[in-house]
Amino acid sequence: EMQLVESGGGLVQRGGSLRLSCAASGFTFSSYSMTWVRQAPGKGLEWVSYITSSSSTIQYADSVRGRFTISRDNAKNSVLLQMNSLRDEDTAVYYCARWEGVVEVAFDIWGQGTMVTVSS
Amino acid sequence: DIQMTQSPSTLSASVGDRVTITCRASQTITRWLAWYQQKPGKAPKLLIYRTSSLGSGVPSRFSGSESGTEFTLTISSLQPDDFATYYCQQYNTYTWTFGQGTKVEVK
Repeated sequence: EMQLVESGGGLVQRGGSLRLSCAASGFTFSSYSMTWVRQAPGKGLEWVSYITSSSSTIQYADSVRGRFTISRDNAKNSVLLQMNSLRDEDTAVYYCARWEGVVEVAFDIWGQGTMVTVSS
Repeated sequence: DIQMTQSPSTLSASVGDRVTITCRASQTITRWLAWYQQKPGKAPKLLIYRTSSLGSGVPSRFSGSESGTEFTLTISSLQPDDFATYYCQQYNTYTWTFGQGTKVEVK
């Protein structure tokens, strides 16, 4: 079964840092681009960051550029999101999702999400 | 940036109803338009990709279409399992934008 499992969420103070991790299984992780998508409480979905299979291309939403860093370890089948200088508006459930950019051109596999709460 | 305007924000319907949700792009986009279903406390699930192709295991009562910059998700006969929130999402050269979501609720 193809699966993504996020971890690392929690309560952090405004201005603090947190590192999220997403573990992949059931598919050839090194062949796929990966993304992070977040959802603030009661709100819609917002794309956050993207990384290609070889890490050659990395993209960020304007709202997190300069504060968040995405990376991946293909040997460990994992993708990471380092979040620094956290703000209240970063409070959200963070999902990692597989980007299938050839056939479906869509986020075809999603993790269950991990909650990040930024408080003062 | 391309904006996706989804309507309605809430839709009240009954089992067996035909349901239509619309997403309008702020400018011409490619056919890289997808639809997702999300239930409370759960991750989104891919329903439709490339505007009109059905995702894996998705029932045939779901369909997608386009007319210019307007994209439509149709549920031909609403089933109890379909009460959820639906999002459109467009992709254009390393930019991904979601619509605001449409909650389909029991009438």
